[in-house]
Amino acid sequence: IQMTQSPASLSASIGDRVTITCRASQDIRNDLGWYQQKPGKAPKLLIYASSRLQSAVPSRFSGSGSGTDFTLTISGLQPEDFATYYCLQDYSYPRTFGQGTKVEVK
Amino acid sequence: EVQLVESGGGLIQPGGSLKLSCAASGFTFGDYSMNWVRQAPGKGLEWISYINSGSATVHYADSVKGRFTISRDNAKNSLYLQMNSLREEDTAVYYCAREYYFDGPADYWGQGTLVTVSS
Repeated sequence: IQMTQSPASLSASIGDRVTITCRASQDIRNDLGWYQQKPGKAPKLLIYASSRLQSAVPSRFSGSGSGTDFTLTISGLQPEDFATYYCLQDYSYPRTFGQGTKVEVK
Repeated sequence: EVQLVESGGGLIQPGGSLKLSCAASGFTFGDYSMNWVRQAPGKGLEWISYINSGSATVHYADSVKGRFTISRDNAKNSLYLQMNSLREEDTAVYYCAREYYFDGPADYWGQGTLVTVSS
């Protein structure tokens, strides 16, 4: 299953609403997770099952979608949110990640 | 507190072998499936292998199939990745990661261990 993530990068300001999308090459139901990764650190799970917020993740992060089209939204970007974000399909093996979206300071 | 600590990385020549280990603590290791994920320098994440809790089911990415072997020892709370016939394109940080729930995403990750394949 191919995961196409867009955009590859974006520039945003504190307080902005940011949207990242992921498209699967076939129906993956809602078997999609979103990760945040900061330089030199391991990825952190933000969202699982497309829209479920992982424990201790701020509520400004939300996920939606099912089938082939998915969205990660950050409502009110904070300084600590500048990072790279990846989607992951956990519908089948081999697992596949999107190419990543780097969120940078505008 | 859940902890995953990888070890065994280093510099290895093309064609060589290396075995990575991942020591788990803070949870009942034998109850969880585990994964290896890697990240080449400056690149994205690549899932490479999975093993279920009882070692009965394993999966590999095509890029490592036939060269890498995943295994675990639940008595030692440890996960392993035996890497043979290493290539320069295997150069990456290798992470072990716990599966959150059955057939779900990975929730806890180690800090990673760097494998550099170069002559």
